[in-house]
Amino acid sequence: EVQLVESGGGLVQPGRSLRLSCTASGFTFGDYAMSWVRQAPGKGLEWVGFIRSKAYGGTTEYAASVKGRFTISRDDSKSIAYLQMNSLKTEDTAVYYCTRGAKEQWLVFDYWGQGTLVTVSS
Amino acid sequence: DIQMTQSPSSLSASVGDRVTITCQASQDISNYLNWYQQKPGKAPKLLIYDASNLETGVPSRFSGSGSGTDFTFTISSLQPEDIATYYCQQYDNLPLSTFGPGTKVDIK
Repeated sequence: EVQLVESGGGLVQPGRSLRLSCTASGFTFGDYAMSWVRQAPGKGLEWVGFIRSKAYGGTTEYAASVKGRFTISRDDSKSIAYLQMNSLKTEDTAVYYCTRGAKEQWLVFDYWGQGTLVTVSS
Repeated sequence: DIQMTQSPSSLSASVGDRVTITCQASQDISNYLNWYQQKPGKAPKLLIYDASNLETGVPSRFSGSGSGTDFTFTISSLQPEDIATYYCQQYDNLPLSTFGPGTKVDIK
């Protein structure tokens, strides 16, 4: 059974950093692209960014709203994807979901984690 | 950037009704369009990918169609468990992806 479990959320002050983790199980993690999608309270979904599998260079892409502040990485030996968030702003407050991209369709999100809440507030 | 619109933003229908949601892209996205269902307090779930392909395990009352800029999502016979918000998502403009604003579906 495919499972994605996010962790690392919490309350953080504006300007500070936070790192989220997504621990995967039930599939060969290294074969898949992984994305992060967020949802501000009461709002819709926003794609944050993704990391390709090592077979495609393990490179990353980001939404304009987070580019230069957020970094996605992966540790295939541990089946974990990370989202490093720096220079956090109040508008980054959201539930952050880890998602798996379908095989060869990186941005078709076929599995989602339960989400972790990040609150940016002083 | 490609903008996605959905209509209506919300709807109420009776059990057994046919429900249709439309999604429009600001430019041609071929068939790179997915549909997700999000129930309150839960993570989204993939229902339809590439505009018209039903994800494995998803009931056949859900369907999608369209290409280019105009897409349709249909529930052929609304069930109580279909109460949710439905989102379209484009992924033609790689490496970027955008979601529509969502359509909230309620039971009348």
